[in-house]
Amino acid sequence: GNSVTQMEGPVTLSEEAFLTINCTYTATGYPSLFWYVQYPGEGLQLLLKATKADDKGSNKGFEATYRKETTSFHLEKGSVQVSDSAVYFCALSDLQNSGGSNYKLTFGKGTLLTVNP
Amino acid sequence: DGGITQSPKYLFRKEGQNVTLSCEQNLNHDAMYWYRQDPGQGLRLIYYSQIVNDFQKGDIAEGYSVSREKKESFPLTVTSAQKNPTAFYLCASSMDRLNQPQHFGDGTRLSIL
Repeated sequence: GNSVTQMEGPVTLSEEAFLTINCTYTATGYPSLFWYVQYPGEGLQLLLKATKADDKGSNKGFEATYRKETTSFHLEKGSVQVSDSAVYFCALSDLQNSGGSNYKLTFGKGTLLTVNP
Repeated sequence: DGGITQSPKYLFRKEGQNVTLSCEQNLNHDAMYWYRQDPGQGLRLIYYSQIVNDFQKGDIAEGYSVSREKKESFPLTVTSAQKNPTAFYLCASSMDRLNQPQHFGDGTRLSIL
């Protein structure tokens, strides 16, 4: 079956530090990959996505590249801000899965990021 | 603005009581989903619906029920059979099941009194 593994948190950084949150996946088909962000007490918001190998998704200074050879989709940002403090989820949608699970997203467990001033 | 509205934001349930969580969307999406989120866990799919009058069990459907009588609405009932209902519940929708990503509501936090 499909699975997503994210680096364990929490991650604590100082403002303007470089951020990497690792994400690797297992999928039987050709997944689309997503990063979602969840601010305290809120639902998830789509941060960025990539639908095929070597695609780079980017938004609000965050970026992630779909690496099929390493089955990875690591999230990076060059200079984090206090307002980036949130939980980040990596997810996949396997649209080619003949088993019929293409109706759902498979999520990682989330990584809590805290950015201090 | 289009979006997904979940209500209430906080809900308390007594032992043995059923409660219903509301989810309404005005995005004209065909597919809707319910997830459960527990601390330190990812999201787990409870039920999903691809179209009106159709719904399917997800990974953890036991103790829950849903209906999809209207395209805009996908209420979730947490029944007394759900022995550990305390969690954060998230509703989501997508254009259709093949068109991810999903858009999420702000969630309902359910607690047991």
